[in-house]
Amino acid sequence: DARVTQTPRDKVTEMGQEVTMRCQPILGHNTVFWYRQTMMQGLELLAYFRNRAPLDDSGMPKDRFSAEMPDATLATLKIQPSEPRDSAVYFCASGLVEDGRSSYNEQFFGPGTRLTVL
Amino acid sequence: SQQGEEDPQALSIQEGENATMNCSYKTSINNLQWYRQNSGRGLVHLILIRSNEREKHSGRLRVTLDTSKKSSSLLITASRAADTASYFCATLRTGNQFYFGTGTSLTVIP
Repeated sequence: DARVTQTPRDKVTEMGQEVTMRCQPILGHNTVFWYRQTMMQGLELLAYFRNRAPLDDSGMPKDRFSAEMPDATLATLKIQPSEPRDSAVYFCASGLVEDGRSSYNEQFFGPGTRLTVL
Repeated sequence: SQQGEEDPQALSIQEGENATMNCSYKTSINNLQWYRQNSGRGLVHLILIRSNEREKHSGRLRVTLDTSKKSSSLLITASRAADTASYFCATLRTGNQFYFGTGTSLTVIP
């Protein structure tokens, strides 16, 4: 049963600390997405990768957020320094896109990382 | 920011009844997708409808798309308690921009 996994599931940290969230996409998927979900803003796309290359990170605050894919089995989202307004649930999703097709077809979501910044 | 708005925000029905939720969006789209999210979980893809399609079925789900009105509806027939969840529409706009709506919270009462 292939699933997207995310770690940690819950993270409580203090303002100013670095936070790293990890995602393992479904084996064979070539697109990875990072989303943030809050009550106020709903679900926001932060960044997405295709074949490990970042294609769009316009939704991500550049000064403190960074997203990478060190290899095809790992995507990371870092916040440094973290702030209370970063408190949210962060979701990773992966999908499979054929060459020349849109990246936005069915996405498979992980369980999320609930981040609380005090 | 969201580009899709679901209506109603919350819906409560009795088991066995049909549930209808609507999604409106602002700009031209390539496709529209519906997702379900159970409390505390990630989203699960339900159905995708392309901009040149008007209606699509999948099991108890029926999705319609009216591009002239920039709206879509999701119908769940013969609802079950297990259908209790939040439902989101997501739109792929021209220019490859992707947005989720604000969601409809559905409660199905056994």
